[in-house]
Amino acid sequence: DAMVIQNPRYQVTQFGKPVTLSCSQTLNHNVMYWYQQKSSQAPKLLFHYYDKDFNNEADTPDNFQSRRPNTSFCFLDIRSPGLGDAAMYLCATSRVGTGTEAFFGQGTRLTVV
Amino acid sequence: LAKTTQPISMDSYEGQEVNITCSHNNIATNDYITWYQQFPSQGPRFIIQGYKTKVTNEVASLFIPADRKSSTLSLPRVSLSDTAVYYCLVGDKHNQGGKLIFGQGTELSVKP
Repeated sequence: DAMVIQNPRYQVTQFGKPVTLSCSQTLNHNVMYWYQQKSSQAPKLLFHYYDKDFNNEADTPDNFQSRRPNTSFCFLDIRSPGLGDAAMYLCATSRVGTGTEAFFGQGTRLTVV
Repeated sequence: LAKTTQPISMDSYEGQEVNITCSHNNIATNDYITWYQQFPSQGPRFIIQGYKTKVTNEVASLFIPADRKSSTLSLPRVSLSDTAVYYCLVGDKHNQGGKLIFGQGTELSVKP
C-alpha cells in the first residue's frame, strides 16, 4: 500500500550525463515536493508544485528541472550532474488544508561517478 | 516562513521519556506546528501536528504553550528503535501551495 513511490531507489550516473528521477503517488494530493538531502544535513527544498503551478526555490541550481505531467507523477531532471549533486532525493506530497502534514517516498540515492 | 531552532543532538536511555523542544519565535497566526521523524536512508515520516495546547496520538504528545513561540515533542518510554532525527516544521494550516522547510533537526540517540 505504498503511497509515494520513488524509482529507482538507487541510481548511478556518469558525470555530466543527464538523469531523471521519478515519483508517483496514489493519494491524489495536489502538492508535490522535491528535496535534496546530503549526508548529515536536513532535506533541502528544491521546488514544489501546487497542482500545475511550479514554484522554484531561489537557490535551486538551473541544472535541476522538474515536470509534472499529471496529478500522480512528478519527475526530477538533472541536466548535467556534477559530483556535488550526489545525494538522496526525496519526493513528498501533501493536500491543501491539512497544514504541514506530508507523505514522503523512500527516496532515490544518486551516485555520480 | 517562521524559522525553527532545535538542539542538534540529544541522548537518552531505553524506557525514559524524551522531550525535544523547538523554538519558533516568529510563528504566524495561521501556522501549524508539525514534527517528523527520519531514519537513515529513509524519507521523513509525519509524527504529529498541532496548533495550540496539547495533542496526543499513539506515538507522541505535542505541547504548545499559549504564546506558541515554542513547542515540545514528548516521546514516552523510548526504545532503541526511536533513534532517529526529529524535525520541527512550522507552516500555514491551509498549506495552499505552501512550502515545507526543514530546519536542522535533532539527532536523538537512545542507548540500552
